[in-house]
Amino acid sequence: EVQLQQSGAELGKPGTSVKLSCKVSGYNIRSTYMHWVNQRPGKGLEWIGRIDPANGNTIYAEKFKSKATLTADTSSNTAYMQLSQLKSDDTAIYFCAIAGYFDFWGPGTMVTVSS
Amino acid sequence: DIQMTQSLASLSASLEEIVTITCQASQDIGNWLAWYQQKPGKSPQLLIHSATSLADGIPSRFSGSRSGTQYSLKISRLQVEDTGIYYCLQRYSNPYTFGAGTKLELK
Repeated sequence: EVQLQQSGAELGKPGTSVKLSCKVSGYNIRSTYMHWVNQRPGKGLEWIGRIDPANGNTIYAEKFKSKATLTADTSSNTAYMQLSQLKSDDTAIYFCAIAGYFDFWGPGTMVTVSS
Repeated sequence: DIQMTQSLASLSASLEEIVTITCQASQDIGNWLAWYQQKPGKSPQLLIHSATSLADGIPSRFSGSRSGTQYSLKISRLQVEDTGIYYCLQRYSNPYTFGAGTKLELK
């Protein structure tokens, strides 16, 4: 069974950074892209970007290029997303998803930005 | 960026009714389209991929179709558990883009 386990909720102050994790079991992340998607409160889904864990190559949506940094550790089958210079607008649930059409999703990590 | 337009923000239908949700792409995306269902407090679930292929474990009352750049998700006989928000996604080109979602409720 494929499972994606995401790290716990984060409360970050404006201007700081947080690093989220997504640990995969039942699927080798070297054989897929890891995607990250966010969902602001009461809003729709937004694709942030993806990483190819096999070689570290990344692609970001334009608006997240200076916000998100995606990395992966194939030895632990875990992907990470760092969000920097947090603003209130970054308050959202962040999902990781894998396989060609986002077949498998994590449960999401709630990030709240507040002073 | 490719825009995915779900013109209906919400839809109300009766049990056993046929429901169709549509998504319009701003340019040709071939069959690089998926549909997801999201229930409150949950992550999205893949229903349809490649525009018309049913994802594993999804009931056969769900089906997808394409006409040019318009894509449709059809639920043949609406069930109580089908309520939720439905999103389309194009993965033809980066950045991948979602539709705004269509909220399906029971009448």
